[in-house]
Amino acid sequence: GQQLNQSPQSMFIQEGEDVSMNCTSSSIFNTWLWYKQDPGEGPVLLIALYKAGELTSNGRLTAQFGITRKDSFLNISASIPSDVGIYFCPPKGETSGSRLTFGEGTQLTVNP
Amino acid sequence: GAGVSQSPRYKVAKRGQDVALRCDPISGHVSLFWYQQALGQGPEFLTYFQNEAQLDKSGLPSDRFFAERPEGSVSTLKIQRTQQEDSAVYLCASSSSGQGGREQYFGPGTRLTVT
Repeated sequence: GQQLNQSPQSMFIQEGEDVSMNCTSSSIFNTWLWYKQDPGEGPVLLIALYKAGELTSNGRLTAQFGITRKDSFLNISASIPSDVGIYFCPPKGETSGSRLTFGEGTQLTVNP
Repeated sequence: GAGVSQSPRYKVAKRGQDVALRCDPISGHVSLFWYQQALGQGPEFLTYFQNEAQLDKSGLPSDRFFAERPEGSVSTLKIQRTQQEDSAVYLCASSSSGQGGREQYFGPGTRLTVT
């Protein structure tokens, strides 16, 4: 099956700092989704990417779909305490069908 | 409400009991998914419905797991003769278009603990 790598596994930052995280795979995809999960809740969709090279923003969040279609990046600017959570980046492609395949996520901790 | 809802939010079952978990998708959403999330892991796909048709059940871990969506709206995930390894959060997601759409919207999950 496809291998999805998320990096870093965890991050500890100070409030106000910018954050970058990424997902890489050996397979090619045509959709990349970014979710955030708070404890005890389901994943919440942050950004959806549909084209290679696409750059999309949602408030302080910016995500890019890699030009090779094998990776994606998420940046968070000026982090705040409510950014704490686990970030997932499941991609979709022709061979993955309808399902989303999740990695282990990036755990973000923001110190006030 | 406008989102996906799941009930119960928490379920404790004794080993060997049967459980039924309910999912109410976003109104009008054609596609519905079930995922299982173990502690510290990402969600793992269980099964997928398009309307009332179960198009993919390849992720169900054993024949003790059964899902249905008889009228193409509400779905129930049933686990028979629960085992301790079934303890996990069960997430439901829905999508507006067929073929699973592109964006999936998740409910809050049901945390199942088997003792």
